[in-house]
Amino acid sequence: LAKTTQPISMDSYEGQEVNITCSHNNIATNDYITWYQQFPSQGPRFIIQGYKTKVTNEVASLFIPADRKSSTLSLPRVSLSDTAVYYCLVGDDIATGGFKTIFGAGTRLFVKA
Amino acid sequence: NAGVTQTPKFQVLKTGQSMTLQCAQDMNHEYMSWYRQDPGMGLRLIHYSVGAGITDQGEVPNGYNVSRSTTEDFPLRLLSAAPSQTSVYFCASGTGLNNEQFFGPGTRLTVL
Repeated sequence: LAKTTQPISMDSYEGQEVNITCSHNNIATNDYITWYQQFPSQGPRFIIQGYKTKVTNEVASLFIPADRKSSTLSLPRVSLSDTAVYYCLVGDDIATGGFKTIFGAGTRLFVKA
Repeated sequence: NAGVTQTPKFQVLKTGQSMTLQCAQDMNHEYMSWYRQDPGMGLRLIHYSVGAGITDQGEVPNGYNVSRSTTEDFPLRLLSAAPSQTSVYFCASGTGLNNEQFFGPGTRLTVL
C-alpha cells in the first residue's frame, strides 16, 4: 500500500488560495488519489479524487503531475469554515481493495480572519 | 436518506466488558468499514466488508469482531474492552466505484 506524506499543519487567511501537497512516491499503476476533509467531532468527508492531470469540482482542484508521485489539493479563496484536517489517500478502487487505503495524520489547516 | 447512522454516540465501559457498536446505511452500498481514530491521529481501518456475508481484517483488527448479515447493517463487537480501545469509532460505506466513502458521525468510546 502506498504511503503518503503531507505537511502536519498550515496556516492561511480568509480569501487566500491554499495548496496542500502530498507525496506518494510508491504509488502503483492502479492507485487513485483521494482527498478527504474532516471537521472536529465529525467523520471525514470526500472532497475530490483523481488519477492524473487535473480534476476540478465545486469545492477544490486536484493537480497530479505526469509521474504521479505527488499531488496538490487547491482550495480557492478559503474561508474560516475551511479550517479542518485534510487527508490525502492513495489506493486502488474499492472494488479491488480500496478500503485498505490508509489515512495518515493529515494536514491541519487553520484559516485566520 | 439518513446516510450512515451510528449508535450510540457516546459509551463508557469498564475493562473486560463487551458491547456492540451499531452501524447502518440506507444507500444500498455494498462496501462498509469500521475505523478508529485516536486523539490527533488519522483513521485506522479495523474491519471491512465488500458485501453481505463477506468481511475481512483491516490494519488493527485485534479485539474486534464484525459480521455482515444484511447489506444495511455492519455491527462492530468489542469482545473484552481494554483501555487501549478508548477512541472514536467511525463507520463508513461506499459504492465500490471509486474511493468515495460516506462516514457516519462516530461513536466516542471510553474504557475505564
